[in-house]
Amino acid sequence: DAGVTQSPTHLIKTRGQQVTLRCSPKSGHDTVSWYQQALGQGPQFIFQYYEEEERQRGNFPDRFSGHQFPNYSSELNVNALLLGDSALYLCASSRRTGTEQFFGPGTRLTVL
Amino acid sequence: AQSVSQHNHHVILSEAASLELGCNYSYGGTVNLFWYVQYPGQHLQLLLKYFSGDPLVKGIKGFEAEFIKSKFSFNLRKPSVQWSDTAEYFCAVTPTDSWGKLQFGAGTQVVVTP
Repeated sequence: DAGVTQSPTHLIKTRGQQVTLRCSPKSGHDTVSWYQQALGQGPQFIFQYYEEEERQRGNFPDRFSGHQFPNYSSELNVNALLLGDSALYLCASSRRTGTEQFFGPGTRLTVL
Repeated sequence: AQSVSQHNHHVILSEAASLELGCNYSYGGTVNLFWYVQYPGQHLQLLLKYFSGDPLVKGIKGFEAEFIKSKFSFNLRKPSVQWSDTAEYFCAVTPTDSWGKLQFGAGTQVVVTP
Protein backbone atom coordinates (compact mmCIF):
# COMPACT_ATOMS: atom_id res chain seq x y z
CA ASP A 1 0.00 0.00 0.00
CA ALA A 2 1.68 3.18 -1.20
CA GLY A 3 1.74 5.95 1.31
CA VAL A 4 1.57 9.66 0.54
CA THR A 5 3.82 10.57 -2.35
CA GLN A 6 5.07 14.01 -3.35
CA SER A 7 6.89 15.37 -6.34
CA PRO A 8 9.37 16.70 -7.03
CA THR A 9 11.75 15.90 -4.18
CA HIS A 10 13.77 19.05 -4.58
CA LEU A 11 13.23 22.26 -6.48
CA ILE A 12 15.27 25.40 -7.00
CA LYS A 13 13.59 28.59 -8.18
CA THR A 14 14.41 32.28 -8.32
CA ARG A 15 12.50 35.13 -6.75
CA GLY A 16 9.37 36.11 -8.64
CA GLN A 17 8.90 32.73 -10.27
CA GLN A 18 5.97 30.42 -9.78
CA VAL A 19 6.08 26.81 -8.58
CA THR A 20 3.70 23.84 -8.53
CA LEU A 21 4.09 20.98 -6.09
CA ARG A 22 2.17 17.73 -6.33
CA CYS A 23 0.80 15.22 -3.88
CA SER A 24 -0.90 11.84 -4.18
CA PRO A 25 -2.74 10.76 -1.05
CA LYS A 26 -2.61 7.38 0.61
CA SER A 27 -5.02 4.88 -0.89
CA GLY A 28 -8.50 5.32 0.53
CA HIS A 29 -7.94 8.89 1.67
CA ASP A 30 -10.03 11.76 0.35
CA THR A 31 -8.63 14.75 2.23
CA VAL A 32 -5.32 16.48 1.60
CA SER A 33 -3.63 19.12 3.75
CA TRP A 34 -0.52 21.12 2.97
CA TYR A 35 2.07 22.38 5.46
CA GLN A 36 5.16 24.56 5.22
CA GLN A 37 8.11 23.63 7.42
CA ALA A 38 10.85 26.24 7.60
CA LEU A 39 14.25 25.21 8.86
CA GLY A 40 14.26 24.63 12.60
CA GLN A 41 10.52 25.07 12.96
CA GLY A 42 7.45 22.90 13.14
CA PRO A 43 5.15 22.53 10.16
CA GLN A 44 2.64 25.34 9.61
CA PHE A 45 -0.79 24.60 8.14
CA ILE A 46 -1.38 26.17 4.73
CA PHE A 47 -4.76 24.75 3.68
CA GLN A 48 -6.89 21.63 3.39
CA TYR A 49 -8.85 20.22 0.48
CA TYR A 50 -11.63 17.71 0.22
CA GLU A 51 -14.36 17.26 -2.36
CA GLU A 52 -12.16 19.39 -4.62
CA GLU A 53 -12.64 22.52 -2.55
CA GLU A 54 -10.49 24.44 -0.09
CA ARG A 55 -12.11 23.84 3.30
CA GLN A 56 -9.73 25.39 5.78
CA ARG A 57 -6.89 27.84 5.42
CA GLY A 58 -4.03 28.92 7.62
CA ASN A 59 -2.39 32.31 7.78
CA PHE A 60 -0.83 32.33 4.32
CA PRO A 61 -1.21 34.97 1.61
CA ASP A 62 -3.19 34.49 -1.58
CA ARG A 63 0.07 33.74 -3.42
CA PHE A 64 -0.46 30.24 -2.05
CA SER A 65 -3.23 28.42 -3.84
CA GLY A 66 -4.17 24.84 -4.42
CA HIS A 67 -6.28 22.39 -6.25
CA GLN A 68 -7.68 18.95 -5.67
CA PHE A 69 -8.50 16.62 -8.52
CA PRO A 70 -11.30 14.03 -8.76
CA ASN A 71 -8.79 11.27 -7.93
CA TYR A 72 -8.05 13.16 -4.65
CA SER A 73 -4.53 14.14 -5.66
CA SER A 74 -3.60 17.74 -5.04
CA GLU A 75 -1.37 20.56 -6.16
CA LEU A 76 0.08 23.48 -4.26
CA ASN A 77 0.91 26.56 -6.29
CA VAL A 78 2.99 29.44 -5.07
CA ASN A 79 3.23 32.62 -7.16
CA ALA A 80 5.72 35.48 -7.00
CA LEU A 81 8.18 33.48 -4.95
CA LEU A 82 10.04 35.19 -2.12
CA LEU A 83 13.26 34.14 -0.44
CA GLY A 84 11.19 33.41 2.66
CA ASP A 85 9.22 30.74 0.81
CA SER A 86 12.25 28.47 0.98
CA ALA A 87 11.10 25.53 3.08
CA LEU A 88 10.06 21.91 3.13
CA TYR A 89 6.49 21.58 1.88
CA LEU A 90 4.63 18.66 3.35
CA CYS A 91 1.47 17.03 2.15
CA ALA A 92 -0.69 15.02 4.52
CA SER A 93 -3.67 12.87 3.69
CA SER A 94 -6.52 11.48 5.74
CA ARG A 95 -10.04 10.21 5.53
CA ARG A 96 -12.59 12.96 6.02
CA THR A 97 -13.89 11.04 9.03
CA GLY A 98 -10.48 9.81 10.11
CA THR A 99 -8.43 10.66 13.16
CA GLU A 100 -4.92 10.66 11.74
CA GLN A 101 -3.04 12.49 9.03
CA PHE A 102 -0.34 10.61 7.13
CA PHE A 103 2.54 12.71 5.90
CA GLY A 104 4.55 12.47 2.73
CA PRO A 105 8.32 12.94 2.47
CA GLY A 106 8.00 16.55 1.41
CA THR A 107 9.33 18.76 -1.37
CA ARG A 108 12.34 20.89 -0.52
CA LEU A 109 11.93 24.28 -2.21
CA THR A 110 14.87 26.64 -2.40
CA VAL A 111 14.29 30.18 -3.64
CA LEU A 112 17.39 32.08 -4.75
CA ALA B 1 -4.36 33.13 19.46
CA GLN B 2 -3.68 29.42 19.49
CA SER B 3 -0.17 28.28 20.26
CA VAL B 4 1.77 25.12 21.00
CA SER B 5 4.90 25.34 23.10
CA GLN B 6 7.53 22.65 23.45
CA HIS B 7 9.77 23.19 26.43
CA ASN B 8 13.08 21.95 25.08
CA HIS B 9 14.56 22.47 21.65
CA HIS B 10 17.40 20.03 22.12
CA VAL B 11 17.80 17.06 24.47
CA ILE B 12 20.83 14.78 24.76
CA LEU B 13 20.66 11.64 26.88
CA SER B 14 22.25 8.22 27.19
CA GLU B 15 20.69 4.91 26.28
CA ALA B 16 18.44 3.49 29.03
CA ALA B 17 17.76 6.96 30.42
CA SER B 18 14.19 8.12 30.81
CA LEU B 19 12.77 10.73 28.49
CA GLU B 20 10.11 13.33 29.11
CA LEU B 21 9.25 16.04 26.61
CA GLY B 22 6.97 18.85 27.61
CA CYS B 23 4.17 20.30 25.52
CA ASN B 24 1.73 23.02 26.46
CA TYR B 25 -0.98 24.48 24.30
CA SER B 26 -3.11 27.55 24.37
CA TYR B 27 -6.62 27.25 23.01
CA GLY B 28 -10.03 28.21 24.32
CA GLY B 29 -11.97 25.18 23.17
CA THR B 30 -11.58 21.42 23.14
CA VAL B 31 -8.71 19.95 21.21
CA ASN B 32 -7.29 16.72 19.92
CA LEU B 33 -3.63 16.15 20.72
CA PHE B 34 -0.84 14.37 18.90
CA TRP B 35 2.82 13.58 19.09
CA TYR B 36 4.64 13.05 15.80
CA VAL B 37 8.20 11.83 15.30
CA GLN B 38 10.61 12.41 12.45
CA TYR B 39 13.52 9.98 12.33
CA PRO B 40 16.60 11.07 10.36
CA GLY B 41 15.86 10.91 6.66
CA GLN B 42 12.26 9.82 7.17
CA HIS B 43 8.91 11.55 7.05
CA LEU B 44 6.71 12.52 9.96
CA GLN B 45 5.03 9.59 11.68
CA LEU B 46 2.36 9.51 14.32
CA LEU B 47 3.55 8.31 17.73
CA LEU B 48 0.28 8.65 19.59
CA LYS B 49 -2.91 10.66 19.81
CA TYR B 50 -5.48 11.72 22.36
CA PHE B 51 -9.09 12.43 21.53
CA SER B 52 -11.00 11.60 24.69
CA GLY B 53 -11.21 9.10 27.53
CA ASP B 54 -8.24 7.88 29.55
CA PRO B 55 -5.80 10.80 29.70
CA LEU B 56 -2.84 8.41 29.66
CA VAL B 57 -2.37 7.18 26.13
CA LYS B 58 0.09 4.63 24.85
CA GLY B 59 1.67 4.82 21.45
CA ILE B 60 4.15 2.94 19.37
CA LYS B 61 7.69 1.99 20.39
CA GLY B 62 7.00 2.21 24.13
CA PHE B 63 6.02 5.88 24.18
CA GLU B 64 3.17 7.24 26.26
CA ALA B 65 1.71 10.67 26.91
CA GLU B 66 -0.45 12.17 29.61
CA PHE B 67 -3.08 14.80 28.97
CA ILE B 68 -3.56 17.14 31.92
CA LYS B 69 -6.48 19.36 31.03
CA SER B 70 -6.03 21.76 33.93
CA LYS B 71 -2.46 22.44 32.86
CA PHE B 72 -3.13 22.44 29.09
CA SER B 73 -0.30 19.95 28.82
CA PHE B 74 0.38 16.78 26.87
CA ASN B 75 3.80 15.52 27.89
CA LEU B 76 5.52 12.64 26.14
CA ARG B 77 7.42 9.98 28.10
CA LYS B 78 9.49 6.88 27.56
CA PRO B 79 10.96 5.01 30.52
CA SER B 80 14.10 3.77 28.77
CA VAL B 81 15.33 5.20 25.48
CA GLN B 82 17.35 3.48 22.81
CA TRP B 83 19.80 4.87 20.29
CA SER B 84 17.11 4.37 17.63
CA ASP B 85 14.92 6.96 19.41
CA THR B 86 17.20 9.69 18.08
CA ALA B 87 14.78 11.89 16.18
CA GLU B 88 12.85 15.13 16.20
CA TYR B 89 9.61 15.08 18.15
CA PHE B 90 6.68 17.38 17.46
CA CYS B 91 3.64 18.04 19.58
CA ALA B 92 0.54 19.03 17.60
CA VAL B 93 -2.97 20.20 18.39
CA THR B 94 -6.13 20.48 16.35
CA PRO B 95 -9.37 22.03 17.55
CA THR B 96 -12.23 19.56 17.57
CA ASP B 97 -14.33 22.02 15.56
CA SER B 98 -11.79 22.30 12.73
CA TRP B 99 -10.42 18.81 12.37
CA GLY B 100 -7.31 18.53 10.29
CA LYS B 101 -5.86 21.97 10.92
CA LEU B 102 -2.88 20.75 12.90
CA GLN B 103 -0.87 23.33 14.79
CA PHE B 104 2.62 22.11 15.61
CA GLY B 105 5.15 23.08 18.21
CA ALA B 106 8.67 23.99 17.14
CA GLY B 107 9.92 20.48 17.81
CA THR B 108 12.48 18.91 20.14
CA GLN B 109 15.60 17.32 18.73
CA VAL B 110 16.45 14.26 20.83
CA VAL B 111 19.88 12.69 20.57
CA VAL B 112 20.46 9.38 22.34
CA THR B 113 24.09 8.46 22.81
CA PRO B 114 25.23 4.82 23.04
